[in-house]
Amino acid sequence: AQSVTQLGSHVSVSEGALVLLRCNYSSSVPPYLFWYVQYPNQGLQLLLKYTTGATLVKGINGFEAEFKKSETSFHLTKPSAHMSDAAEYFCAVRHLAAGNKLTFGGGTRVLVKP
Amino acid sequence: DAGVTQSPTHLIKTRGQQVTLRCSPKSGHDTVSWYQQALGQGPQFIFQYYEEEERQRGNFPDRFSGHQFPNYSSELNVNALLLGDSALYLCASSPRGGGASYEQFFGPGTRLTVL
Repeated sequence: AQSVTQLGSHVSVSEGALVLLRCNYSSSVPPYLFWYVQYPNQGLQLLLKYTTGATLVKGINGFEAEFKKSETSFHLTKPSAHMSDAAEYFCAVRHLAAGNKLTFGGGTRVLVKP
Repeated sequence: DAGVTQSPTHLIKTRGQQVTLRCSPKSGHDTVSWYQQALGQGPQFIFQYYEEEERQRGNFPDRFSGHQFPNYSSELNVNALLLGDSALYLCASSPRGGGASYEQFFGPGTRLTVL
């Protein structure tokens, strides 16, 4: 069964500092990969996705992620954190062989300190 | 263009009761998926509906059932509620049968509390 691991359930960063959220998946076949953000009392919003092609993917709000097949990773980064980045972030995968369902990691809550 | 809408926003039920949650997909979308998000966890896939049929199901008991209507809206029904069913229930829609390359758009969710 496919699984997604997000290292660190909580991350605290200073405003203006680098944001790095880690995501690893278990699969012998590269899946489609997604990062979603969830603000308090809201649903999920897609930040970015990797399907095929360029392994460095740029998303909304200055986020980007790099797919590394050899490391089975899809880490999310943002060069300079803003107070509005405080939210929970979820990494998700989708395998064609497993249908169209998304499998999510446990999430990482980001706190931004002024 | 309205996105995915869900109703109600919040719901409080007692153990053993039944509940129905509703979802209207984003305009132009024909596929609806339901997810359960327990507090402090990532969403878990319940099932997906396309062309008014359940196409895929996650690891949830038969107490969880659904329906899709001709206008593509969907309902999630949960019977014999347990305390552990307390969660945020998310609906997501996607186009064209929900092909893997298509993004799923999420609604704001329904917060279910079982007492």
